[in-house]
Amino acid sequence: DAGITQSPRYKITETGRQVTLMCHQTWSHSYMFWYRQDLGHGLRLIYYSAAADITDKGEVPDGYVVSRSKTENFPLTLESATRSQTSVYFCASRRGQGNQPQHFGDGTRLSIL
Amino acid sequence: DQQVKQNSPSLSVQEGRISILNCDYTNSMFDYFLWYKKYPAEGPTFLISISSIKDKNEDGRFTVFLNKSAKHLSLHIVPSQPGDSAVYFCAASAGSNYKLTFGKGTLLTVNP
Repeated sequence: DAGITQSPRYKITETGRQVTLMCHQTWSHSYMFWYRQDLGHGLRLIYYSAAADITDKGEVPDGYVVSRSKTENFPLTLESATRSQTSVYFCASRRGQGNQPQHFGDGTRLSIL
Repeated sequence: DQQVKQNSPSLSVQEGRISILNCDYTNSMFDYFLWYKKYPAEGPTFLISISSIKDKNEDGRFTVFLNKSAKHLSLHIVPSQPGDSAVYFCAASAGSNYKLTFGKGTLLTVNP
């Protein structure tokens, strides 16, 4: 039971570079989400997806791009990384309808120098 | 505009005693509430949830209480164990909008 996995676990890059964070889930969950966790802010939603090829913005989408060509994958791309995007990023997924919890990956710690 | 608030950044209790973590919300459209537990270097783990049609939900040592009129929920852990030491996040969602809004978390320390 692999569940939801994120890669890489740690990443250091420089400002202006493009970086992609990967998220893969084996449950065939319809919904997938990307959050960032920063000190003093809890978890904030960046983007989410209700199904393959359906994505929508969350609370803090600026500077990020997502795609969902397959149900099991939901990559998050920082097209031109900035220091303010240094954070811990969590991916989550959940089943389709009704009150269901989201299940989280173990996160990617991203540092932008 | 913080819609989900956890006003206590930290809480310390003795092993065997009750831990009570509190959460307040401002959005009256929230109808599903969850608690997550998070250890360092791991993702949040779902603990327990409650729908707005209920006022209590229990799962083993964990009980969540919901007071809709006060827009307040609480998580009770009885008895507390050292392994419960973690950051606890309260979260809420509204209707078919499955996005979660999180509080900032409360660090619980259970002392042996």
